[in-house]
Amino acid sequence: AQSVSQHNHHVILSEAASLELGCNYSYGGTVNLFWYVQYPGQHLQLLLKYFSGDPLVKGIKGFEAEFIKSKFSFNLRKPSVQWSDTAEYFCAVRGSNTGKLIFGQGTTLQVKP
Amino acid sequence: GAGVSQTPSNKVTEKGKYVELRCDPISGHTALYWYRQSLGQGPEFLIYFQGTGAADDSGLPNDRFFAVRPEGSVSTLKIQRTERGDSAVYLCASSLRRRGLAGGRSYNEQFFGPGTRLTVL
Repeated sequence: AQSVSQHNHHVILSEAASLELGCNYSYGGTVNLFWYVQYPGQHLQLLLKYFSGDPLVKGIKGFEAEFIKSKFSFNLRKPSVQWSDTAEYFCAVRGSNTGKLIFGQGTTLQVKP
Repeated sequence: GAGVSQTPSNKVTEKGKYVELRCDPISGHTALYWYRQSLGQGPEFLIYFQGTGAADDSGLPNDRFFAVRPEGSVSTLKIQRTERGDSAVYLCASSLRRRGLAGGRSYNEQFFGPGTRLTVL
């Protein structure tokens, strides 16, 4: 079955701490991978994406993610979080020739000032 | 430029009623998607259109749900005989198509609207 699993449901960090959010997927064939973020009161917006090529991708606001094909993983990282990173983060996968996105259940990140 | 817009932003209805939710995609985006998000969950795929036709409607939960995109732009999600379990935020997204690997077709990233919060009493 096609699915995405996000390991952490709720993460609490202090400012300047490092962040890693886990994401594993189950999907046959070539995939595209995404991280979306939803800030309080705002709609979903793209943080970063992987289509092909370099498995280490950089996104907005200092976020990066690494695609490890052998582990079916696409973990999100940031070396030093800020209070403004408080949000909900969603990992998503789709087949490379379809538009249908499959989302994980999300991780709520709370950054304490 | 203008993003994806959805109307209404909130809809409260009674069990058994019919509702329509509207989505205006980003101008020029050929693909349009509908998702449903329940509290504490990630968005769940419902249907997507490429142009006027439904490319994949495998996520529609049952025949009470129907969506149209008659002119390849605005889309309407229609729910008949609403049930309390239909309460959720309904999200719309749009994207462009792109040339994928080996010349095949693929899709760019999806841009999401603010959603319509549907409450069925």
